[in-house]
Amino acid sequence: NAGVTQTPKFRVLKTGQSMTLLCAQDMNHEYMYWYRQDPGMGLRLIHYSVGEGTTAKGEVPDGYNVSRLKKQNFLLGLESAAPSQTSVYFCASTRDSNQPQHFGDGTRLSIL
Amino acid sequence: EDKVVQSPLSLVVHEGDTVTLNCSYEVTNFRSLLWYKQEKKAPTFLFMLTSSGIEKKSGRLSSILDKKELSSILNITATQTGDSAVYLCAVLMDSNYQLIWGAGTKLIIKP
Repeated sequence: NAGVTQTPKFRVLKTGQSMTLLCAQDMNHEYMYWYRQDPGMGLRLIHYSVGEGTTAKGEVPDGYNVSRLKKQNFLLGLESAAPSQTSVYFCASTRDSNQPQHFGDGTRLSIL
Repeated sequence: EDKVVQSPLSLVVHEGDTVTLNCSYEVTNFRSLLWYKQEKKAPTFLFMLTSSGIEKKSGRLSSILDKKELSSILNITATQTGDSAVYLCAVLMDSNYQLIWGAGTKLIIKP
């Protein structure tokens, strides 16, 4: 049982480049989330999804887009990377909103 | 503004000591409070607390919620070096599907 899998694990981008982070879960969870974690600031919600085909903005959505075309996958896109988007990105999923979220191992992204 | 504050930010103790980590919150619609442990990678779930005064326990770890004081504590007894981690507190809002996270307490256990 793989749980929540994030790819890639590390990536270095130049300012202005674009990329997509992939999150896949094999637990048949309805809810999926993308967070960023910065030193001293805890986890901040970027976007989330309450089911296949649905997405919604979180606390810090600017500069990011998401898609949930399949229930098991949640993609996070950076359209034009900026140094301020240097962070560790975590994906999480849960069966329903009252249950604990399960996290992937994170993607460390550096924007030069 | 909804917020979750954890204290202390960091803590260094010796193996065998008992530690208490604090989490306080100010949110408009409280549903539950969660504790996670984060070592090098993914945060892993420890406890979910919804009712005030009822202790949740797992081995040497325990946690309790005080809704009157808008706070929770996480206790770890007989600490071991494997307890070294960042402990995260989060509050689940009743009005949406979102968790509000504290900045975490970094706990270091010295042998």
